[in-house]
Amino acid sequence: EPEVTQTPSHQVTQMGQEVILRCVPISNHLYFYWYRQILGQKVEFLVSFYNNEISEKSEIFDDQFSVERPDGSNFTLKIRSTKLEDSAMYFCASSYGTGGEQYFGPGTRLTVT
Amino acid sequence: TQLLEQSPQFLSIQEGENLTVYCNSSSVFSSLQWYRQEPGEGPVLLVTVVTGGEVKKLKRLTFQFGDARKDSSLHITAAQPGDTGLYLCAGEGRGSTLGRLYFGRGTQLTVWP
Repeated sequence: EPEVTQTPSHQVTQMGQEVILRCVPISNHLYFYWYRQILGQKVEFLVSFYNNEISEKSEIFDDQFSVERPDGSNFTLKIRSTKLEDSAMYFCASSYGTGGEQYFGPGTRLTVT
Repeated sequence: TQLLEQSPQFLSIQEGENLTVYCNSSSVFSSLQWYRQEPGEGPVLLVTVVTGGEVKKLKRLTFQFGDARKDSSLHITAAQPGDTGLYLCAGEGRGSTLGRLYFGRGTQLTVWP
């Protein structure tokens, strides 16, 4: 069964460093998303991406964040200068269309020290 | 911001009992998803409901979308220890927020043998 994959599973970085989180969405899906979940809190939307551009971004997704689809299979989230409060699980999701049916990856646990 | 309130937050029952989990909002959603999440993993999609009043069944799980598309319920019949987990509801926004999922905090279900 097709699934969303994410690498790395765990990333530890120092405050101020840049990190890139990688995702491979389900192959025939057209819409891609990033969500995050701070420990003990609810899953929060960061950004959606369609047709090589951002469709929508939340108030969390400030200038420190960027997304890219560098080739036909990968979808990346870059955090330019990490802060302690960026520590969270980051989930990639994909869907064929809008209207539900978003499939999530296993997540990358980002720890900023 | 569209808020989804889930209740109860925690539910602990004996094997064989029935239970219902609720997901309520004052906002209208274009669709609603139910996910199950294990510790340290990504949400796994259980079902998507789209039409007001829609009922979907997945073995012993019954999902209902409210007539006004503001609320939903998950009913489990004859719960088993394997049903133990965190159940999340997520509503999809409308219009400019179509595709964006708003998550509830979840209901942690524990089923004792």
